Amino acid sequence: AQSVAQPEDQVNVAEGNPLTVKCTYSVSGNPYLFWYVQYPNRGLQFLLKYITGDNLVKGSYGFEAEFNKSQTSFHLKKPSALVSDSALYFCAVRDIRDNYGQNFVFGPGTRLSVLP
Amino acid sequence: GAVVSQHPSWVICKSGTSVKIECRSLDFQATTMFWYRQFPKQSLMLMATSNEGSKATYEQGVEKDKFLINHASLTLSTLTVTSAHPEDSSFYICSARVPPGTANSPLHFGNGTRLTVT
Repeated sequence: AQSVAQPEDQVNVAEGNPLTVKCTYSVSGNPYLFWYVQYPNRGLQFLLKYITGDNLVKGSYGFEAEFNKSQTSFHLKKPSALVSDSALYFCAVRDIRDNYGQNFVFGPGTRLSVLP
Repeated sequence: GAVVSQHPSWVICKSGTSVKIECRSLDFQATTMFWYRQFPKQSLMLMATSNEGSKATYEQGVEKDKFLINHASLTLSTLTVTSAHPEDSSFYICSARVPPGTANSPLHFGNGTRLTVT
């Protein structure tokens, strides 16, 4: 069975400082990994994904994530946080053998607050 | 980019009534759409997979007679909450993938529907 853990419910960071939102996963095969962001009363917006290749993936709004197979992690990072980055962030995993979407598993979410 | 439109964005209804939520893919055809439920401060819970022209596939524990799903066209799926009760109050979100929809394709989400049952 697939699972995703986001060990921090809440992350606080000062504007201009680097931010990290952690994600670890468990999947029987090789994973596809995704990050989504959710603003209040809105659906999820896709940020970035890892499929294969370079372990450092760059995405929207200056975010990037680093895939670490040995640590089964896919932490989301940004060099300089903005107040507008404050939102709820979800990590998700899918087994590469799944073509129909039922096994798209989300983590519990991490609330990021960027303080001015 | 792919756009999924969900309507209404919020609805308040009385206990015992039914509510219909629409999910449309605006610039692509979606043979499969997904319905999620999200409780406050919690992650998304997949309720069901909606398949165009056939019956929806429900996740374990989700009452198919209470949460009716219809996917009558390639661009529209509807979720009807029948005989709604206060415990059905939640945030409902739909999503879809742009075909051909391989495992590495991201899901595109609607903006969600906030349902409040009084």
